[in-house]
Amino acid sequence: SAVISQKPSRDICQRGTSLTIQCQVDSQVTMMFWYRQQPGQSLTLIATANQGSEATYESGFVIDKFPISRPNLTFSTLTVSNMSPEDSSIYLCSGVQGGYDYTFGSGTRLTVV
Amino acid sequence: SQQGEEDPQALSIQEGENATMNCSYKTSINNLQWYRQNSGRGLVHLILIRSNEREKHSGRLRVTLDTSKKSSSLLITASQAADTASYFCATDGVGNEKLTFGTGTRLTIIP
Repeated sequence: SAVISQKPSRDICQRGTSLTIQCQVDSQVTMMFWYRQQPGQSLTLIATANQGSEATYESGFVIDKFPISRPNLTFSTLTVSNMSPEDSSIYLCSGVQGGYDYTFGSGTRLTVV
Repeated sequence: SQQGEEDPQALSIQEGENATMNCSYKTSINNLQWYRQNSGRGLVHLILIRSNEREKHSGRLRVTLDTSKKSSSLLITASQAADTASYFCATDGVGNEKLTFGTGTRLTIIP
């Protein structure tokens, strides 16, 4: 399985600022995804990161708030923009190979103050 | 929105007992997977079961899948303190590789 390095692992940010989270995969993956996990909750899919084109967002998530890039098959970034305390969550990236072999980054624990 | 519901939401058992968690989902699936997460850390993949399979084993884990009822169960036998974690089921659809997660079960093993 691929290995994903995600950074930062945690950050404390001021409201109104933005944070960019990076995920680097050690081998090519066909699809990459970004998830949010609010405190005590399950994972909710934010968007599918498409290589070389605009991400596909799930209902309730918009590009202005969560811009995503995926310039190649092994790298993606998620930016959380104009942050508020409600954005305090764990953010995880994921990649899939072979249609079923999913791997996850270790997550970014974001606290907005 | 969540694809699946899991029950129970929380489960506490004595070490050595068996733990059973259930997952129900709403739409047709390609695969169903179970993951473990310790205290908000990364996800650990436990087991994958395909839609044409009914049961799989891996060590102390046993997973069943009933596609007619759109449900799955995860059995952990002879539980250990290290099994304390949150457990999530996740499904992907035919021709759709997005993983959709269930609500999760928080398992606590009492030494």
